[in-house]
Amino acid sequence: GQQVMQIPQYQHVQEGEDFTTYCNSSTTLSNIQWYKQRPGGHPVFLIQLVKSGEVKKQKRLTFQFGEAKKNSSLHITATQTTDVGTYFCAANAGNNRKLIWGLGTSLAVNP
Amino acid sequence: NAGVTQTPKFRILKIGQSMTLQCTQDMNHNYMYWYRQDPGMGLKLIYYSVGAGITDKGEVPNGYNVSRSTTEDFPLRLELAAPSQTSVYFCASSRFSGGGMNTEAFFGQGTRLTVV
Repeated sequence: GQQVMQIPQYQHVQEGEDFTTYCNSSTTLSNIQWYKQRPGGHPVFLIQLVKSGEVKKQKRLTFQFGEAKKNSSLHITATQTTDVGTYFCAANAGNNRKLIWGLGTSLAVNP
Repeated sequence: NAGVTQTPKFRILKIGQSMTLQCTQDMNHNYMYWYRQDPGMGLKLIYYSVGAGITDKGEVPNGYNVSRSTTEDFPLRLELAAPSQTSVYFCASSRFSGGGMNTEAFFGQGTRLTVV
């Protein structure tokens, strides 16, 4: 079935370092959504990208959707301990009407 | 606005027991989902529904059943609980728009289930 590959699976950074997670698909995506799950919590929606080449920013977070709409990235500038959690991407692709989820990237931040 | 309400938050079951996880949403979303999340892992889709009266299997449906008699409610039934069903269960809902994509998914707080 259709898949969205997310890398890396884990990332451990020092506070103040940057962090990036990537989602890649072999098929064209209709959209890409990003979620954050804090430890012990539930996934919470961050943003949705729809247009080819779209870039959106939320404070220190920058989200990009590739020109071919097959990949996306989430970049965090100068990580803080509050950024700790797992970041998931999710998307619709083709005729698949349910969201397809990446496996997530777990971010740990050393103070 | 309550969003997605999921009960119970915690439950311990003995092997062979049955239970129903309740999920209600008040956003008039057409799509509802049940996921399980094992420790340190991603979300695995158990069942989903695209509207009242319509349900379909996800990746890991064995040992579970669902029903969707109303737009608001999407209960998940575990029959004959097994240790392999120890997990965190999340209910979620979203709207599938005319643009061919889902709007943001709202999640319940999760149910931590242990089968012993």
